[in-house]
Amino acid sequence: GNSVTQMEGPVTLSEEAFLTINCTYTATGYPSLFWYVQYPGEGLQLLLKATKADDKGSNKGFEATYRKETTSFHLEKGSVQVSDSAVYFCALLSGSARQLTFGSGTQLTVLP
Amino acid sequence: EAGVVQSPRYKIIEKKQPVAFWCNPISGHNTLYWYLQNLGQGPELLIRYENEEAVDDSQLPKDRFSAERLKGVDSTLKIQPAELGDSAVYLCASSLDERGGSEQYFGPGTRLTVT
Repeated sequence: GNSVTQMEGPVTLSEEAFLTINCTYTATGYPSLFWYVQYPGEGLQLLLKATKADDKGSNKGFEATYRKETTSFHLEKGSVQVSDSAVYFCALLSGSARQLTFGSGTQLTVLP
Repeated sequence: EAGVVQSPRYKIIEKKQPVAFWCNPISGHNTLYWYLQNLGQGPELLIRYENEEAVDDSQLPKDRFSAERLKGVDSTLKIQPAELGDSAVYLCASSLDERGGSEQYFGPGTRLTVT
């Protein structure tokens, strides 16, 4: 079946540091890949997505590239801010199952 | 545009009691999802509706959980009776249609505590 493995947290960084959160997946076919963010007390929000190999999703300074050869979709940001503190979830959508499969989430805390 | 609305936001009940959660999806969204999110985990799908039809309920524990989406708009998820292990966040999401790439929008969730 489908599965998503995320880098375990929590991750604590200083403001303006470089961020990488690793994500690898197992899926049949050609899934779409997503990063969702969950701020305290709020629902999950779509951060970025990529629907085919070598696509790069980007939003709010965050980027992730769909790497089929390594089955990865690592999240990166060049300079994090305190406001980026949240839980980040990697997810995949299998075309046949039409349901999102999530990783376990990575808690990010950015200190001023 | 209003997002996905869920109520209540928090619920504390004793075990063996019934509980119900309500979700109002984004206007015009045909597909509605209920997810279960345990502490420190990612959400897991419980049931998916296309309009008023439950098209995927394979992961819904049907001995105690039930759901309905009358008229293809609002939805209710019920647990009867609740068990200690049901303590979790119950998330509702909606999307415009059933296409694989259609973005899912999530509500804030209902945090259930069973004592």
